[in-house]
Amino acid sequence: SQTIHQWPATLVQPVGSPLSLECTVEGTSNPNLYWYRQAAGRGLQLLFYSVGIGQISSEVPQNLSASRPQDRQFILSSKKLLLSDSGFYLCAWSAGGSEAFFGQGTRLTVV
Amino acid sequence: DAKTTQPPSMDCAEGRAANLPCNHSTISGNEYVYWYRQIHSQGPQYIIHGLKNNETNEMASLIITEDRKSSTLILPHATLRDTAVYYCIVSRRLMDSNYQLIWGAGTKLIIKP
Repeated sequence: SQTIHQWPATLVQPVGSPLSLECTVEGTSNPNLYWYRQAAGRGLQLLFYSVGIGQISSEVPQNLSASRPQDRQFILSSKKLLLSDSGFYLCAWSAGGSEAFFGQGTRLTVV
Repeated sequence: DAKTTQPPSMDCAEGRAANLPCNHSTISGNEYVYWYRQIHSQGPQYIIHGLKNNETNEMASLIITEDRKSSTLILPHATLRDTAVYYCIVSRRLMDSNYQLIWGAGTKLIIKP
């Protein structure tokens, strides 16, 4: 069966520090991978998606970047965090147009 | 911008059917309606999706109106574990035949004993 791992679960980082959130998927090949951000009390905002290794599409301009160095690994990064980068970050995978499966999320607080 | 409208919150008695409405009046002919739910501080969980016809699975039923401008998610026998935020979402086609889910704020469903 397929599983998705996302870590860390919580993170507190100072303004201006770098960020690296990692997501890996097991039990499937060539998944579509997604990074979402969720503000408190709001729905999910798609940040990046990837349909293959090295292929990244960005949905909104921001202080973040994403990379897919391996088929089942998706990384969200920032060189210098801003206060506005705080939020709940979710990684997800899907097999094309079918339903998406989410990780447990990372709660990032930038102080 | 979200393409769906949902009530911000609803209550339902345990054991009764929970009916969650959703308006999506601008939905396009090839866009699907998806329902997810999110229990506090966890990743969202897929429930069901549909295009035109009503759908049923082990979790819920989805009733889509004939004009496709609205739908209702039905949880037939709500339990306390069904307390969550329920998102009604329409899909948007991206490049490479991928689909983006346009998320709104959802409905907070509270099941009361």
